[in-house]
This record gives sequence, structure tokens and C-alpha cells, in this order.
Amino acid sequence: EPEVTQTPSHQVTQMGQEVILRCVPISNHLYFYWYRQILGQKVEFLVSFYNNEISEKSEIFDDQFSVERPDGSNFTLKIRSTKLEDSAMYFCASNAGQGVLKAYEQYFGPGTRLTVT
Amino acid sequence: DQQVKQNSPSLSVQEGRISILNCDYTNSMFDYFLWYKKYPAEGPTFLISISSIKDKNEDGRFTVFLNKSAKHLSLHIVPSQPGDSAVYFCAARGGFYNQGGKLIFGQGTELSVKP
Repeated sequence: EPEVTQTPSHQVTQMGQEVILRCVPISNHLYFYWYRQILGQKVEFLVSFYNNEISEKSEIFDDQFSVERPDGSNFTLKIRSTKLEDSAMYFCASNAGQGVLKAYEQYFGPGTRLTVT
Repeated sequence: DQQVKQNSPSLSVQEGRISILNCDYTNSMFDYFLWYKKYPAEGPTFLISISSIKDKNEDGRFTVFLNKSAKHLSLHIVPSQPGDSAVYFCAARGGFYNQGGKLIFGQGTELSVKP
């Protein structure tokens, strides 16, 4: 069964450093998302991406964050200058898009644990 | 942001019995609801969903009920199995679809099914 994959599984970085989290969504899916979960808190939406541009972003997704689909398979989240409060599990998700069965269901990757020291 | 709430942080059920997980929401514009199951150190796994135009959807041992007037949905698992022990998240689809349809999650309910 197709699945969303993410690398690395765990990333440790120092405050102020740049990190890039990588995701390979399910092929032929059209919508891509990043979510995060700070320990003990809810899963929260960061950004959605469609047709090579951001379709929606949350208040959390400030100028320090960016997303990119550099080729036909990868989807990346970059944090330019990490802060301690960026420590969280980051989940990538994708869904098939409108007009197909189960268009609204988002499928999540296993996550990247980001630790900022 | 308390648009989706799961008021029970935990639930313990005997194997073979029914598990009922509850979720309340406040925004009547939500048009689609999903349940996810999550194990520690893994991503949420999609379980079952329901459109706001329906009041019930069933898939094997899992049934989701939606009461729009009460802004309440529930997930029933019958019969419960020890492998069902996990954290269950309720999520609602918010925003217009052409904006990507972000999911808004509840806090989760940890289900423990005892043999």
C-alpha cells in the first residue's frame, strides 16, 4: 500500500541553525501538508501546498518557514533559524484531491522528531 | 483554538466490549470529519471518515456517528481488541477546499483495551 515517507526520523540541531525536513508524498496525490505536534499538545496545521504554491498557512508558519517541491516526488519544510520552541514532531501529509474517491482523506508520514538545543 | 474537543483524555475497555470515543466541535462550517489512530513515535493513521451530509458511516468494526444539531461525533469500535490500544484523534476539515482543506485536530483520547 502506498505510504508517505519522511526523513530523517530524528534531527538534532542547535538554536539558530537551518534545518530541512523531507517528505515523499503518495505519488499521484495533489495536496501536501505539514503539521506539527509539540509534546503533550494537539497536532496543529502549519501549511498546505497545491499546484506548486502555498494554498493556506497558519499563524505559526512565519517568515522563518518555507516549503518547496523541488522535483516531482519530494516535498520539503525548511526552518531558516531554529528556535527552542520549534522542537516538535513534524508530520507531512498528502491527499488525492477533489473528484476521486476519498479525496478528503489525508495520509500522514511517520514524522520527524526535531530537537533544538 | 478549541474548535474540536475530545473531553476524555483516556478510556479503558475490556476486550470484546464496545469502545465509544466522543468528539465535539463548534464550527458549523466543517464539512468532513475524520478519525485517526496514533501509536507513540508514529504518524496518525487514517481510520474512518464521514461527510457532514451523512449521519453514519461504517467500516468493519468501526462506525462513526455524526449528530450535526449537537455538533457531536462518536467513534464506535465493536468488538474492541487489545491491538486497538492507541491514541485516537478526531479531526475536522476546515477551510474551503481550494485552500487545501486543513485538518483541525482534537486533543486525542488514549484507548486501552484490556484482555
